[in-house]
Amino acid sequence: AQSVTQLDSQVPVFEEAPVELRCNYSSSVSVYLFWYVQYPNQGLQLLLKYLSGSTLVKGINGFEAEFNKSQTSFHLRKPSVHISDTAEYFCAVRFPQGGSEKLVFGKGTKLTVNP
Amino acid sequence: EAGVTQFPSHSVIEKGQTVTLRCDPISGHDNLYWYRRVMGKEIKFLLHFVKESKQDESGMPNNRFLAERTGGTYSTLKVQPAELEDSGVYFCASSQGRQGASPLHFGNGTRLTVT
Repeated sequence: AQSVTQLDSQVPVFEEAPVELRCNYSSSVSVYLFWYVQYPNQGLQLLLKYLSGSTLVKGINGFEAEFNKSQTSFHLRKPSVHISDTAEYFCAVRFPQGGSEKLVFGKGTKLTVNP
Repeated sequence: EAGVTQFPSHSVIEKGQTVTLRCDPISGHDNLYWYRRVMGKEIKFLLHFVKESKQDESGMPNNRFLAERTGGTYSTLKVQPAELEDSGVYFCASSQGRQGASPLHFGNGTRLTVT
């Protein structure tokens, strides 16, 4: 079955520290990969996406993610976080083969940046 | 460009009542999706419209849920009769272009509480 696993439900960090939010997926075929962020009382906003090409993808707000096909991972990183990065982060995968265009989401990771 | 708009932002109803959620996608977006997040769980796909046609409704939980997209513009999601387990946040999203690669633009969601 197609699934997405976000290994950490909550990640607390101090301001200016680096952070990595982990995401693994299960698939034997090519996929499209996305990270979304949800700030309090807002909708989901696209951070970055991987469709093909370079495995290192840069997104908004200083975030980047690296696609690792052999490990079926797409971990999100930021070298130095700010208080304003406090939000919930969702990894999502699209399996274009098979006719369905739906996104499959992980359970989300709540990032809390403390002063 | 206006984003995806959802009405209402919150709805509290009693078990057995009917509720209708509305979504206005970004103008010109042919693809419209409904997702739902039950508390503590992952965001799950409900269905996908291409213009006015249902492309994929495999995520609809049961026949108490009815989605329509009038003239390929806005969409409604009706729950009748509502049950306690229907509580959650309902997200609408839209996209345009090549479906698999196009990122979804999400609305702020409708928080539904069934008491």
